[in-house]
Amino acid sequence: NAGVMQNPRHLVRRRGQEARLRCSPMKGHSHVYWYRQLPEEGLKFMVYLQKENIIDESGMPKERFSAEFPKEGPSILRIQQVVRGDSAAYFCASSGLPTGELFFGEGSRLTVL
Amino acid sequence: GQQLNQSPQSMFIQEGEDVSMNCTSSSIFNTWLWYKQDPGEGPVLLIALYKAGELTSNGRLTAQFGITRKDSFLNISASIPSDVGIYFCAGQLEGGGSNYKLTFGKGTLLTVNP
Repeated sequence: NAGVMQNPRHLVRRRGQEARLRCSPMKGHSHVYWYRQLPEEGLKFMVYLQKENIIDESGMPKERFSAEFPKEGPSILRIQQVVRGDSAAYFCASSGLPTGELFFGEGSRLTVL
Repeated sequence: GQQLNQSPQSMFIQEGEDVSMNCTSSSIFNTWLWYKQDPGEGPVLLIALYKAGELTSNGRLTAQFGITRKDSFLNISASIPSDVGIYFCAGQLEGGGSNYKLTFGKGTLLTVNP
């Protein structure tokens, strides 16, 4: 499977816990994007990363949220001290050649109890 | 933030009918993309458009990049039950450079009655 891989597909956390979502881009892609989707809404941009660099984090809350894309391994979106409002589907997308085409993973659905 | 106005919000059609949906914005876009999302899944890219006026087809799907670069439409001809899903338009704003951050519409929910 050469697509964008996300895990876990589903994650349940209690308020105050940490959530870690992982994303492996398509083979050969070095650009990773994270989006959040609330029920019956479109996707909202959070952060854009290239290997070892955060390029644009304008859509990410300043507190509790962080993202990384290390030289080796998947990209990780980390949410500390989760609150109920963090419950959403989090999608990762990747792109390679400068075509503007983003390919999405199947998402990680976070539920905060 | 920038907004894409996507319409209609939902459509209920009979199998075999044609469907049209569109997105408009007050901002200029370099790229328009159309995605389909099934329940519990990620968006799947249907069509990508890169030039004003461009008309591109993918099977029964046809999409156009508006001349003003502020709008796009998607047509589906001879709909079938598996066309059911949510269709999203997405665009890359002018001036984005190599940052392919996309702005998404809120989606059109398509229901096809067999």
